[in-house]
Amino acid sequence: LAKTTQPISMDSYEGQEVNITCSHNNIATNDYITWYQQFPSQGPRFIIQGYKTKVTNEVASLFIPADRKSSTLSLPRVSLSDTAVYYCLVGVSGAGSYQLTFGKGTKLSVIP
Amino acid sequence: DTGVSQDPRHKITKRGQNVTFRCDPISEHNRLYWYRQTLGQGPEFLTYFQNEAQLEKSRLLSDRFSAERPKGSFSTLEIQRTEQGDSAMYLCASSRSGGQGFQETQYFGPGTRLLVL
Repeated sequence: LAKTTQPISMDSYEGQEVNITCSHNNIATNDYITWYQQFPSQGPRFIIQGYKTKVTNEVASLFIPADRKSSTLSLPRVSLSDTAVYYCLVGVSGAGSYQLTFGKGTKLSVIP
Repeated sequence: DTGVSQDPRHKITKRGQNVTFRCDPISEHNRLYWYRQTLGQGPEFLTYFQNEAQLEKSRLLSDRFSAERPKGSFSTLEIQRTEQGDSAMYLCASSRSGGQGFQETQYFGPGTRLLVL
């Protein structure tokens, strides 16, 4: 499974847009990119998933360049409740297992 | 869709005791995963079921750990002769498998926090 690299921590003020970039240089052709959010003492919560270009849902956008060696999670107008750890993962979907390999994630702190 | 549920949410036990955790996946999901998470780390994969078959186990899963999914619905994770190093959050996730190219997404439960004294 491809390894990912993301910043250990980030700070942002309320109302700002936050972009968290993840590197995954050895991403495979079949790999999707998935982001999870985790609050203390809770399980990870699925945010967004994509394969290429741009994906947008009601909470975030995911930007993936043509070479797919990195991806950027964009959180518009963050609030205090967005303070959490954000994980970037890549993995293969299909007939086999799809075990997720989590790194340490990015700890986002939103400041009032 | 009521989400993935886990029971209990918290468990405190003494070293050497056995503990069992339960996970109820999202009803139409045929895949079920167990992960373990220690403080400050991301979750680590333990084992995976497709329907009732346990298809993969991590080397992290020692002989004291056993998991079952007898009817392809809920799953149990048992730890025998617990050790202090077993203290962690145990997470369950479920998903629906598809064919090649299908975007599988895992949905996690709230976890069971185990403390071994």
